[in-house]
Amino acid sequence: EVQLVETGGGLIQPGGSLRLSCAASGFTVSGNYMSWVRQAPGKGLEWVSVIYGGGNTYYADSVKGRFTISRDSSKNTLFLQMNSLRVEDTAVYYCAKWRGGIFDLWGQGTLVTVSS
Amino acid sequence: DIQMTQSPSTLSASVGDRVTITCRASQSISDWLAWYQQKPGKAPKLLIYKASSLESGVPSRFSGSGSGTEFTLTISSLQPDDFATYYCQQYNSFSRTFGQGTKVEIK
Repeated sequence: EVQLVETGGGLIQPGGSLRLSCAASGFTVSGNYMSWVRQAPGKGLEWVSVIYGGGNTYYADSVKGRFTISRDSSKNTLFLQMNSLRVEDTAVYYCAKWRGGIFDLWGQGTLVTVSS
Repeated sequence: DIQMTQSPSTLSASVGDRVTITCRASQSISDWLAWYQQKPGKAPKLLIYKASSLESGVPSRFSGSGSGTEFTLTISSLQPDDFATYYCQQYNSFSRTFGQGTKVEIK
């Protein structure tokens, strides 16, 4: 079955760090463009980051310099390392397969709450 | 960044109604537009891409149209499973942006 499963969310204090994981099955993470999209509580969707098949990475301005997207081909897993977290980073984080700029497969999401 | 504006924000409709949602881009995006459906507590689901192409497995009652700056998503006959929030997304510019969403609720 083709699916994505995110883990790693939780409650973290402002300024802290967290690493999200997204395990893929039914296809290879390294053979596809993969992305993270987030959704603040009760709000809309915001694209966060993408990693291309060749390894190039790109970020939204709101997270540039603080978040790092990466992957592990041996584990077929996508990661999002989040540093210097802010209250406004509180959201459900989804990993998604990127197809030509659209998101055609999504995980179930993992909630990150940044609060003191 | 390209701004995407959806209208209405909320729409009340009955089963069997024809429903239309509009999405406007702050600049021309050609036909690089997608539509998603999201139910409470669930991930978004891709419905339409390239403004009018139906994603595999999506019922044919969903259709999309438009180009440039104005786009529409139409549900020809609303079904109970269609009550959800719908988002448009542009992919003309690198920084992909979404509309604020349109909630379709039961009248």
